[in-house]
Amino acid sequence: DSGVTQTPKHLITATGQRVTLRCSPRSGDLSVYWYQQSLDQGLQFLIQYYNGEERAKGNILERFSAQQFPDLHSELNLSSLELGDSALYFCASSKLTGILNTEAFFGQGTRLTVV
Amino acid sequence: AQTVTQSQPEMSVQEAETVTLSCTYDTSESNYYLFWYKQPPSRQMILVIRQEAYKQQNATENRFSVNFQKAAKSFSLKISDSQLGDTAMYFCALLHDQTGANNLFFGTGTRLTVIP
Repeated sequence: DSGVTQTPKHLITATGQRVTLRCSPRSGDLSVYWYQQSLDQGLQFLIQYYNGEERAKGNILERFSAQQFPDLHSELNLSSLELGDSALYFCASSKLTGILNTEAFFGQGTRLTVV
Repeated sequence: AQTVTQSQPEMSVQEAETVTLSCTYDTSESNYYLFWYKQPPSRQMILVIRQEAYKQQNATENRFSVNFQKAAKSFSLKISDSQLGDTAMYFCALLHDQTGANNLFFGTGTRLTVIP
């Protein structure tokens, strides 16, 4: 158990809908990262938050947004869903940011299926 | 731009044997870290081993070791005495510092099967 909690574990929804994925980082971790893993693909970095502020942005679609709340949990919002958005979405957390941080702990992922 | 390439989509090894997974990367940064992550069927991402680019000594964690060739930008993972529980996807990843932010760049993975 990495200490990073993601809910829900599985989600099935229809095209055009909107969903929210939730991530609770490890206790004391200030950084949260979101990654997307499509079928048999590597992980693609979406976005990072550090202590409530957006720190880095990767290949995140405009239909997607995220935020980190004062209690440090984070939510990833996916809207106007398309079939191609079906993927495993990982959250990771770490204590610090920048090169000082060398280890991120991953949650078990949320499997999103768009039908 | 940062890229991580794993040229072996699938590999297999007999139990108790040794296998080496390849990874090459490209970065213009001088300060970076390299990682190998394991993703078993449970889909959890588990850190296997990490290497600081400024260290010449290759990292070792029990049965796992790396061959880090900085000039060649190569970072291979050697698994000794392979066990059935090593069956998983293995991802090579690169971490560098960019304006105080950091995120991992992943390769596309190598699916390793350990054969009894």
